Amino acid sequence: AQKITQTQPGMFVQEKEAVTLDCTYDTSDQSYGLFWYKQPSSGEMIFLIYQGSYDEQNATEGRYSLNFQKARKSANLVISASQLGDSAMYFCAMREGAYSGAGSYQLTFGKGTKLSVIP
Amino acid sequence: KAGVTQTPRYLIKTRGQQVTLSCSPISGHRSVSWYQQTPGQGLQFLFEYFSETQRNKGNFPGRFSGRQFSNSRSEMNVSTLELGDSALYLCASSLVRGSKTQYFGPGTRLLVL
Repeated sequence: AQKITQTQPGMFVQEKEAVTLDCTYDTSDQSYGLFWYKQPSSGEMIFLIYQGSYDEQNATEGRYSLNFQKARKSANLVISASQLGDSAMYFCAMREGAYSGAGSYQLTFGKGTKLSVIP
Repeated sequence: KAGVTQTPRYLIKTRGQQVTLSCSPISGHRSVSWYQQTPGQGLQFLFEYFSETQRNKGNFPGRFSGRQFSNSRSEMNVSTLELGDSALYLCASSLVRGSKTQYFGPGTRLLVL
């Protein structure tokens, strides 16, 4: 079974509009961390935002926020006020055993969502 | 502060050859992980190194190996290259194991002919 599922292979958004990229995950661990990365066509993975499973508040980093719904096992990325430079692949990733120290610390990635921002 | 650097950025090899890729983490970072990215399989975990020791390895054959030096720089080696090894190889560094932020380098694009 997929541990990270990103159901939107591609999305379009108008410049200055907000967009939500979906991510659902599957784990039996109580402690885990969820990440979002942006990958432009150059290939470099750019860290955007992190949410720990025990964090009570949704994470925010500038124009990025993570809509964390633990019971539904979803960790959607919300980008506000989209810019042309936001056009890229976006990956959701999970690290299990994040707090217990028993984890392997590896990241498991979803297949990604290609976001295109339209002027 | 300089980011994660990877060398070379591009590489063309032929089947059966071997290749060594290098990763220099952010200064002060001691944990280095490697990932392989292909269109078919996506991003897959290869190795994790911390304090010169391999802490974890992904589901890859023994042709894939790596090491970490005392200055935290890391190398990975692929022997007897196969066409399927063509990929973007990404290195990520973090301060310690399990850090909330893990920074990736620009990657090495390997093409096996």
